Amino acid sequence: DAKTTQPTSMDCAEGRAANLPCNHSTISGNEYVYWYRQIHSQGPQYIIHGLKNNETNEMASLIITEDRKSSTLILPHATLRDTAVYYCIVRDSNYQLIWGAGTKLIIKP
Amino acid sequence: DSGVTQTPKHLITATGQRVTLRCSPRSGDLSVYWYQQSLDQGLQFLIQYYNGEERAKGNILERFSAQQFPDLHSELNLSSLELGDSALYFCASSAGKTAVSTDTQYFGPGTRLTVL
Repeated sequence: DAKTTQPTSMDCAEGRAANLPCNHSTISGNEYVYWYRQIHSQGPQYIIHGLKNNETNEMASLIITEDRKSSTLILPHATLRDTAVYYCIVRDSNYQLIWGAGTKLIIKP
Repeated sequence: DSGVTQTPKHLITATGQRVTLRCSPRSGDLSVYWYQQSLDQGLQFLIQYYNGEERAKGNILERFSAQQFPDLHSELNLSSLELGDSALYFCASSAGKTAVSTDTQYFGPGTRLTVL
């Protein structure tokens, strides 16, 4: 099953863009990459997902490299409320989401 | 608000007891998933139901069981509780399209279970 690798933690200044990297070098050709975040023990919140094209919605942008081995989630103007654990996720062979430890993003004033 | 509801929010019980956690999916969603999250850990997938039938099983203990009812709400039953079962339990729902990679899951607020 494909897995993902993310940095354990990152800091970002309030108002700046937060760029969260993820490696998924074993991802198969038809697997999507999902991003969720979890704010302090709340239920995980869906952010965005993509296959090979860049995606954007009201929350974030997702940039996927051409070889699909890595991706970057971009929060364009980070606020203090974006402090959370961010999970980059792919599915296993049973189509279930594989949750790693995620990246703890701290937005600093 | 994801549209997924879970009750109760908090549950405190003793070892050896049995509890039931309840989940109502988003309107129109046919799939329900249960996850366990122990302190400072990632989410562990327990089980998935689709339109009343079990679809997939993860790391669910034999002491735990679940079901999905005709109105699509789901219950997770935890029995013979141990201290190590203390955790957050999340329910998620999705439209439930068969084997489609874009079947996005939406999560409820969770139930915090404390076993004393």
